[in-house]
Amino acid sequence: AQKVTQAQTEISVVEKEDVTLDCVYETRDTTYYLFWYKQPPSGELVFLIRRNSFDEQNEISGRYSWNFQKSTSSFNFTITASQVVDSAVYFCALLPYNTNAGKSTFGDGTTLTVKP
Amino acid sequence: DTAVSQTPKYLVTQMGNDKSIKCEQNLGHDTMYWYKQDSKKFLKIMFSYNNKELIINETVPNRFSPKSPDKAHLNLHINSLELGDSAVYFCASSPLRGGEQFFGPGTRLTVL
Repeated sequence: AQKVTQAQTEISVVEKEDVTLDCVYETRDTTYYLFWYKQPPSGELVFLIRRNSFDEQNEISGRYSWNFQKSTSSFNFTITASQVVDSAVYFCALLPYNTNAGKSTFGDGTTLTVKP
Repeated sequence: DTAVSQTPKYLVTQMGNDKSIKCEQNLGHDTMYWYKQDSKKFLKIMFSYNNKELIINETVPNRFSPKSPDKAHLNLHINSLELGDSAVYFCASSPLRGGEQFFGPGTRLTVL
């Protein structure tokens, strides 16, 4: 069985603060993918990043960065210099590699509120 | 061009009615899904189809029946609607292995 835990239900920060969203996962698979999705107040779900389990390189994209640590089964997401437009629900998800069709397990989401 | 589209966007109906939600993707993906997002924003997979074949069928009441007429379409039919069915239903698609999922805009179903 696989599980994704996003322990932070809600986070509130003031604009320009840095914020880290935690994601811890459990899986018996040796090869898998991890994802982050964003759901802004408008409701759509937007893909942010995919990371393969065999690639532990961290990634930076503008103000966003992701820290994947296989040893601690974590895939944390940091927003630097947060902006009001970053306010959204963020979901972490896990997908085993050996599957004919991707049964992703989603975390319960973290609601981020960035105040001006 | 819309990658994953759903119709309708809003659906308000009475208990006991039967309704359908349609989904189409123009990305050429092999796999399509239905998710239910409840009022607490929890996302739960309901069904997954791969090349028109049902792959994943989570513990969903059999009042819910997916139908995939071709690889680009996955519709969801719901019989005898109940109050607890009120939620946002998302359709998604992805490449066969390891791909990110592209979500439709969601259908907000309200059962009165």
